Amino acid sequence: DAGVIQSPRHEVTEMGQEVTLRCKPISGHDYLFWYRQTMMRGLELLIYFNNNVPIDDSGMPEDRFSAKMPNASFSTLKIQPSEPRDSAVYFCASSPGTGVHGYTFGSGTRLTVV
Amino acid sequence: AQKITQTQPGMFVQEKEAVTLDCTYDTSDQSYGLFWYKQPSSGEMIFLIYQGSYDEQNATEGRYSLNFQKARKSANLVISASQLGDSAMYFCAMREGPYQKVTFGTGTKLQVIP
Repeated sequence: DAGVIQSPRHEVTEMGQEVTLRCKPISGHDYLFWYRQTMMRGLELLIYFNNNVPIDDSGMPEDRFSAKMPNASFSTLKIQPSEPRDSAVYFCASSPGTGVHGYTFGSGTRLTVV
Repeated sequence: AQKITQTQPGMFVQEKEAVTLDCTYDTSDQSYGLFWYKQPSSGEMIFLIYQGSYDEQNATEGRYSLNFQKARKSANLVISASQLGDSAMYFCAMREGPYQKVTFGTGTKLQVIP
């Protein structure tokens, strides 16, 4: 298995533009998580899905953030409009939900909003 | 209240020595899981070790062991025979609840000195 695949690896955009981050989880994993990592706030859980259904989006900072999971193999995190304070590394992770293996993280998307 | 507390922002250890990274947690669940992840400077999140709340023996994975003290709600990571490649951020995390939500601590930056 190729692991959790995120794209793009790096994204530089201007303030006000729409940004879409993509994630392909590991096949068979029922849970998908989006995290944001910054120096100031550490790893923050933004939203997670179980069987493609959003379970908890209480970590989504504002209405400018939205996430979808149209099928078991794909999820997007969209920011519109983007702001400089959204600059961070965004991780996607998937999990089978049980057992000892925890999450498998993607390589992350480093977002810079200028 | 913090779910996961890591009180050591940074630590140094001499190469080949053992080091303990502290983690305490807070939950009212009877069933939960505890994890440690490593994040090297390259940024990826690497799963190291898992301890289930019902596991009676401390988990071990190679040079990593988890010192689980349930009554004290502590799950310290012990790295034996430190290597230069162990220099990284280390995150403690807990999985709880019906939807397997995982919360991360703020991390400990470990630096191994030659």
